[in-house]
Amino acid sequence: EDQVTQSPEALRLQEGESSSLNCSYTVSGLRGLFWYRQDPGKGPEFLFTLYSAGEEKEKERLKATLTKKESFLHITAPKPEDSATYLCAVQAGDYKLSFGAGTTVTVRA
Amino acid sequence: DSGVTQTPKHLITATGQRVTLRCSPRSGDLSVYWYQQSLDQGLQFLIQYYNGEERAKGNILERFSAQQFPDLHSELNLSSLELGDSALYFCASSVGLAGSAEQYFGPGTRLTVT
Repeated sequence: EDQVTQSPEALRLQEGESSSLNCSYTVSGLRGLFWYRQDPGKGPEFLFTLYSAGEEKEKERLKATLTKKESFLHITAPKPEDSATYLCAVQAGDYKLSFGAGTTVTVRA
Repeated sequence: DSGVTQTPKHLITATGQRVTLRCSPRSGDLSVYWYQQSLDQGLQFLIQYYNGEERAKGNILERFSAQQFPDLHSELNLSSLELGDSALYFCASSVGLAGSAEQYFGPGTRLTVT
């Protein structure tokens, strides 16, 4: 069965303090790895899709990278508005998404 | 705004009852997915429909059923409700059948079973 593990569970940062979130996965036949952002009580918001090891994608202060066993979401010089839960999901041969439990990021001004 | 709409936003009902949640996908999207999110289980895939047909099933209970109509909107029916069914229910849509298409999520329906 597909497994997705995110760490840490929670991350408290000072504004401007860069950090990284980890998503490790075990899946048969990875089709894609997805990062989503979720604000409390709202639906997940799509951020990135990564397809193969070595791939990187960037959006504003966020950068996602992928290896054969894990993905990292780097947050550079975060702002309070980056506070959210970041979810990682993998899509395998049967096409369904398997989500990790998420990392809740709090950025203090 | 993802373009996916869900109604109602909140639903409070009693154990043993039946409810229907509704989802309209983004314009042009043919696939609809249903997810359940609870505090202890995280985001769990329930079921996928593509152009009116069931395509994939996840951890969906037999008390739950779904369908997708010709206009592509979808409904999730939950029956014989139990306290443990209290959760956020999300609908997502994507363009194609599968592959690595991004899924766009709606705002969710918060179900409270008392």
